[in-house]
Amino acid sequence: RKEVEQDPGPFNVPEGATVAFNCTYSNSASQSFFWYRQDCRKEPKLLMSVYSSGNEDGRFTAQLNRASQYISLLIRDSKLSDSATYLCVVNFKGTGNQFYFGTGTSLTVIP
Amino acid sequence: GAVVSQHPSWVICKSGTSVKIECRSLDFQATTMFWYRQFPKQSLMLMATSNEGSKATYEQGVEKDKFLINHASLTLSTLTVTSAHPEDSSFYICSADRGITEAFFGQGTRLTVV
Repeated sequence: RKEVEQDPGPFNVPEGATVAFNCTYSNSASQSFFWYRQDCRKEPKLLMSVYSSGNEDGRFTAQLNRASQYISLLIRDSKLSDSATYLCVVNFKGTGNQFYFGTGTSLTVIP
Repeated sequence: GAVVSQHPSWVICKSGTSVKIECRSLDFQATTMFWYRQFPKQSLMLMATSNEGSKATYEQGVEKDKFLINHASLTLSTLTVTSAHPEDSSFYICSADRGITEAFFGQGTRLTVV
């Protein structure tokens, strides 16, 4: 069973649309949660951390539900520059500061 | 700016040769670094955890004799792909543990074995 499960998409949406990505994780002892963005042939870059209280950064809103072990990312008013792969990442401090990645959800914003 | 530097960014090598990839933490000391591999359209998969001054810990299914990891200093870890074959062609990324929850990644190395 994978540590982190994500719908790979692809999601093809028009500019201005709202799109939501979901992710589930299997380890209830996971401690920190993130959404990373990865552009083609590049390293992942932190988009935002995810908190139980929910957090918003401009057009991006992230939510964590610990009871359901579920993480979401909402992108409003999609821009062409939002086209990328979005990785759900879970952090577990076991024997080290380990990160587990979802397969990523591919988003293409269409003009 | 980048806090983790990875080199080279891409490499093409002949089958049977070895390739070394370097991962450096730029302005902090990293007792732990991680090596990931990413195949096309797949997620990053942790290969091994590199610990300064001790042996690396490999994930299940990763051959330690094929993927040699050396973490001789607090700012440098190296991954050597020995006797590389075409199926080893992949995107290799390192990250360094800065003691905080955010992961900092190197730029990645695209390895093509021909």
